[in-house]
Amino acid sequence: QKEVEQNSGPLSVPEGAIASLNCTYSDRGSQSFFWYRQYSGKSPELIMSIYSNGDKEDGRFTAQLNKASQYVSLLIRDSQPSDSATYLCAFLMDSNYQLIWGAGTKLIIKP
Amino acid sequence: DGGITQSPKYLFRKEGQNVTLSCEQNLNHDAMYWYRQDPGQGLRLIYYSQIVNDFQKGDIAEGYSVSREKKESFPLTVTSAQKNPTAFYLCASSPTLGGYNEQFFGPGTRLTVL
Repeated sequence: QKEVEQNSGPLSVPEGAIASLNCTYSDRGSQSFFWYRQYSGKSPELIMSIYSNGDKEDGRFTAQLNKASQYVSLLIRDSQPSDSATYLCAFLMDSNYQLIWGAGTKLIIKP
Repeated sequence: DGGITQSPKYLFRKEGQNVTLSCEQNLNHDAMYWYRQDPGQGLRLIYYSQIVNDFQKGDIAEGYSVSREKKESFPLTVTSAQKNPTAFYLCASSPTLGGYNEQFFGPGTRLTVL
C-alpha cells in the first residue's frame, strides 16, 4: 500500500526558532522525495527535492532523508511569519512514476 | 515568463453539466498532470500525460476525461458522471515523466457544484 504519513498539526513555532517537519513513506524502493509549501487557497510550490541519504541545504531550509527508516524531514531555520503555511511531503513511485502525497502539516510561526 | 496557467480561477457547475478546465504551459515540458485536492487530504492524481496524444488514468479517473492534442495544453473535463466534483483542481507539469523530475503547479481552479 502506497502512503505518506504526516502530522496534520498545527505546529506552532516562535519566530526565529527552528521548525521541524516530518514525514514517513511506505515505498522502500522510492528514490525521489519532495517538500512543497502551500499557502491557504494557493497551489503548492516546490521547496526542496532530495534523492540521496543525508542532508541537503538550501538557504534556511534543510531536507534530511533516511531511506533505511523511510523517513524524510524538513528543517526551517530562523522561522519567519511568512513561513506559515501547509507543508506537503511527496515521494515518487518508481513503478509508475506517480507522486504520492501526504495530507500536509500546517505550520504557524508566531511573532 | 515561463509558467503554467489555469482557467477559470473559480467555476460553478449545475448538477448534470459537463465543464472543462483549461491548463496551458509554456515551459516546454513533456509531462502534464491533473490533481484533485479536497480539504485536509493530499493531492490525488486524476490523469497524466507523458507525450502528445497519449495519457494515462490516475487513481481517481472515473467521471473525468482529458485530451492532449498539443504539447502546451492538457484540458480536463469534469463530466456529470463525477458524483462529487466540488474540489480544488491543480494542473502540473514536469520536463519528463518520473526520475528526478520536479513537478510545477498552476494556480488552480476551484470548482463548486450548485
